[in-house]
Amino acid sequence: QSVLTQPPSASGTPGQRVSISCSGSSSNVGSRTVNWYQQLPGTAPKLLIYSDNQRPLGVPDRFSGSKSGTSASLAISGLQSEDEADYYCAAWDDSLIGLVFGGGTKLTVL
Amino acid sequence: EVQLVESGGGLAQPGGSLRLSCAASGFTFSSYWMTWVRQAPGKGLEWVANINQVATAQYYVDSVKGRFTISRDNAKKSVHLQMNSLRVEDTAVYYCARVGYNGWESQDWGQGTLVTVSS
Repeated sequence: QSVLTQPPSASGTPGQRVSISCSGSSSNVGSRTVNWYQQLPGTAPKLLIYSDNQRPLGVPDRFSGSKSGTSASLAISGLQSEDEADYYCAAWDDSLIGLVFGGGTKLTVL
Repeated sequence: EVQLVESGGGLAQPGGSLRLSCAASGFTFSSYWMTWVRQAPGKGLEWVANINQVATAQYYVDSVKGRFTISRDNAKKSVHLQMNSLRVEDTAVYYCARVGYNGWESQDWGQGTLVTVSS
């Protein structure tokens, strides 16, 4: 059971907008910034969003992050087949004194 | 270009030990926290440990406290994970990553090294 809660799966058709949620608590998402990672099949994770809504250089602006209270979201607009991957949220937890991840969301592009 | 290359994975028996290493290049290694994250087969990501720039602070997930030790050698630009008293549930791909300055984000990742604990 992960500290951060994500839906196990999400799907969309090319061109659609999809959103993935990440629910936490006051000791993590509610008080710390959220980061998002993309893991393509068979590869290492890649930082997608940091500090709730910032994109590292090279990440397309189709990817965006937001946060409200103890919940965060990753949105992908203009869905493409190459976006098919696992997506993870993560945040520092002040109670556990460690980093916590969501269980991951497998995104399928139909 | 930032590069992180893990090594040291392999097969170990329950109760045994392994030492993972991660060689860093392409950035000022001594200026960054470093972290280990693992992924059991078919499962999600799990943070394992962090170490600060001068090795005066280390944090661990509860499940490895007292068994694993993270360390670093800034002169050799490397970070290590000494894993003792290994359990079957420690079987995973272990990734090292560079921690950014903004909010514990893992900016760059290695390709991972597989640790299998089995009798």
